[in-house]
Amino acid sequence: NAGVMQNPRHLVRRRGQEARLRCSPMKGHSHVYWYRQLPEEGLKFMVYLQKENIIDESGMPKERFSAEFPKEGPSILRIQQVVRGDSAAYFCASSPTRQGASGEQYFGPGTRLTVT
Amino acid sequence: GQQVMQIPQYQHVQEGEDFTTYCNSSTTLSNIQWYKQRPGGHPVFLIQLVKSGEVKKQKRLTFQFGEAKKNSSLHITATQTTDVGTYFCAGDNNNDMRFGAGTRLTVKP
Repeated sequence: NAGVMQNPRHLVRRRGQEARLRCSPMKGHSHVYWYRQLPEEGLKFMVYLQKENIIDESGMPKERFSAEFPKEGPSILRIQQVVRGDSAAYFCASSPTRQGASGEQYFGPGTRLTVT
Repeated sequence: GQQVMQIPQYQHVQEGEDFTTYCNSSTTLSNIQWYKQRPGGHPVFLIQLVKSGEVKKQKRLTFQFGEAKKNSSLHITATQTTDVGTYFCAGDNNNDMRFGAGTRLTVKP
């Protein structure tokens, strides 16, 4: 049973370009969460999605960032017009039920985004 | 909104010494989870505490949940170099889960 998959593992973008990060949750998991981790810092919650629904996006910046989890395919975190401050590790996690109710979240290996 | 604070931010110990990290929430929690992230890795679930005053042990790790369900601690006895990493708590308040900033542990052999 494959774990949470994220791709790409490393992504380099120039300022102003778009970054697309993909996350495939564990099989049977319909709840996906995105976190951002700056170097030497903790995990910052960004968004919580279920299939075709954004449940909680209170951690998402108002501009340039968007997320989706379509009926088919992976969840996508999109960052438009990237700036150097967007450089970070972006982790996706999934759970079989609503966060907290089932216990643990399963994390993917992360995408390390570098903006040059 | 809910806030989860974790201290200390960093802890450097000699191998064999004990280590403790503390987690405090601004609200009463329904449960708390602990995760470990090795350098360059991703967070991995360690344990979940649900009951007031609960204590759980995993080998050299002891996890406690406060009586008021607003604080928690992780204690490692006789640290080893394999314990290095960042330990995060995550507090769940009615399905609103937030991570602490983590405690980064380094162990000198």
